[in-house]
Amino acid sequence: DAKTTQPTSMDCAEGRAANLPCNHSTISGNEYVYWYRQIHSQGPQYIIHGLKNNETNEMASLIITEDRKSSTLILPHATLRDTAVYYCIVRVGNSNYQLIWGAGTKLIIKP
Amino acid sequence: EAQVTQNPRYLITVTGKKLTVTCSQNMNHEYMSWYRQDPGLGLRQIYYSMNVEVTDKGDVPEGYKVSRKEKRNFPLILESPSPNQTSLYFCASSLLSGGANTGELFFGEGSRLTVL
Repeated sequence: DAKTTQPTSMDCAEGRAANLPCNHSTISGNEYVYWYRQIHSQGPQYIIHGLKNNETNEMASLIITEDRKSSTLILPHATLRDTAVYYCIVRVGNSNYQLIWGAGTKLIIKP
Repeated sequence: EAQVTQNPRYLITVTGKKLTVTCSQNMNHEYMSWYRQDPGLGLRQIYYSMNVEVTDKGDVPEGYKVSRKEKRNFPLILESPSPNQTSLYFCASSLLSGGANTGELFFGEGSRLTVL
């Protein structure tokens, strides 16, 4: 599976959109981009995933560049409860490859 | 409510004393997995199971055993715990699609284990 690169940490003001970048320049054509988050030491929570089209659900939007070498997770109106470590992972969708977890981005939402 | 339940949430034990961490899910998921999380190392997979009576090793299986006798339960067994197994453990489950893991994992709240 391709590796990802994320900033170590980011800040965002409460109520603003939080934009979390992820680089995956070696992604293969059949690899999806997955996003999870982990609040403090709780179990990670699935957020969203996509292949090439932009995706949106009740939690977030995922924007994938046309060349698929990078993506951005957008939390449209960040709240204090969105403070967490966010993991960007690439993996072949619907496969038996496991998710490879990196260090993620520590997102701090400030009042 | 859909959930993955782990017990115990916290445990302090001594070297060599067998212990079991239970994991149960109520979503009828075929796939279940155990991870450990250590500072600076991310989540690492210990064992996984694709269905009842089907288990396989992950990246760090040494010192652990699992069983999958029922679809909802996937206990993690430490036959002779050692201090290097002190860690935060997570159980996860997901559906299979076309016989493969969808990648949308549901995690339990974690079990913090300390081995003295």
